[in-house]
Amino acid sequence: SAVISQKPSRDICQRGTSLTIQCQVDSQVTMMFWYRQQPGQSLTLIATANQGSEATYESGFVIDKFPISRPNLTFSTLTVSNMSPEDSSIYLCSVETGLQETQYFGPGTRLLVL
Amino acid sequence: GQQLNQSPQSMFIQEGEDVSMNCTSSSIFNTWLWYKQDPGEGPVLLIALYKAGELTSNGRLTAQFGITRKDSFLNISASIPSDVGIYFCAGQGSGNQFYFGTGTSLTVIP
Repeated sequence: SAVISQKPSRDICQRGTSLTIQCQVDSQVTMMFWYRQQPGQSLTLIATANQGSEATYESGFVIDKFPISRPNLTFSTLTVSNMSPEDSSIYLCSVETGLQETQYFGPGTRLLVL
Repeated sequence: GQQLNQSPQSMFIQEGEDVSMNCTSSSIFNTWLWYKQDPGEGPVLLIALYKAGELTSNGRLTAQFGITRKDSFLNISASIPSDVGIYFCAGQGSGNQFYFGTGTSLTVIP
């Protein structure tokens, strides 16, 4: 398994501003992902954070809105840019480890945009 | 993206009762995962399944990888109040992406 931490754990932001969320893993991992979970909903994959190259975004998510960095195998950031109230969600970092496909999640960042 | 159908959507049960929930997909999957999410927390992995027909237990929890590879089941025996939460299934096909179920909200009445 992996121990994953996220910062901040929660934040309240004004519309039009940007917030950068950090994800730190206690071991080197190949695959890191960012998910969004809107209130009462399931998890939606935003992008795969690739080390040393641009992130791979899912349909409906673009780099200008959700820029991602992955400077090494233990750390990634997700920025939510030019926020609007519709961006109020939980943002979750996850990693895939081990020889078999298994994903572990961080505690999440709860974002409220006013 | 693809979303898995999970049922039931919510359950209200008495403490001590057994619980069953399932997850279905229109596509074949090679991996099924089951998670529990408590309020204000990230999902916690409960059980991972990698082979059709596989039956795996984790304490009072038992999950099965359906033989059609399009479904999975989670059972909780003798429920206790701390079982309260939202349970999500996740499936992975030939690609890297995991697709998540719609969730089952479990309430245990003491």
